[in-house]
Amino acid sequence: GAGVSQSPSNKVTEKGKDVELRCDPISGHTALYWYRQSLGQGLEFLIYFQGNSAPDKSGLPSDRFSAERTGGSVSTLTIQRTQQEDSAVYLCASSLDGGADTQYFGPGTRLTVL
Amino acid sequence: AQSVTQLGSHVSVSEGALVLLRCNYSSSVPPYLFWYVQYPNQGLQLLLKYTSAATLVKGINGFEAEFKKSETSFHLTKPSAHMSDAAEYFCAVRRGGGSQGNLIFGKGTKLSVKP
Repeated sequence: GAGVSQSPSNKVTEKGKDVELRCDPISGHTALYWYRQSLGQGLEFLIYFQGNSAPDKSGLPSDRFSAERTGGSVSTLTIQRTQQEDSAVYLCASSLDGGADTQYFGPGTRLTVL
Repeated sequence: AQSVTQLGSHVSVSEGALVLLRCNYSSSVPPYLFWYVQYPNQGLQLLLKYTSAATLVKGINGFEAEFKKSETSFHLTKPSAHMSDAAEYFCAVRRGGGSQGNLIFGKGTKLSVKP
């Protein structure tokens, strides 16, 4: 079946611009996670959704970062007023029901802020 | 708080040799542990996971890992390396408590396989 998909695969933007990154989880998966992968910080958790609600936003690095999920499916991660330190690969994962269920990862969006 | 430490950012083996990638964890609750593999420009793929059942866990592509509570370790092994195993490997522990379950990753180990 279809896996987790993310778009765009690559995004180059100028400092100060806003960007939106999209994640389509596996159909039927209620849990959705965003992670960020960068050279300096490794893989970091950003935010967790269960259905449409986000009970854990503890990993968001600043108030420039926000995310939403609609219809219990697609999620969008928005970064406002991008900075060069936001350059990273943003990975989305989904799992059947959170907890210890296996998380399936998408291919990621590589964000470059010039 | 939980954490994972992967010893060795780079490991190089010859084709056909044993692969051993080390992972030690810290957890105040019984841990759920995972190994993921990442090929260049791709997402993460689950190799195997430990969720408190058998301590020896077998995964895909001939990999296995043994949970050792006394050593707080979850090392990944494969008896015979193949060129296609060249990739980056991440050990992770599930954040404990509640139903949340985000993963806390180690820094990763890049495996090179020499012909």
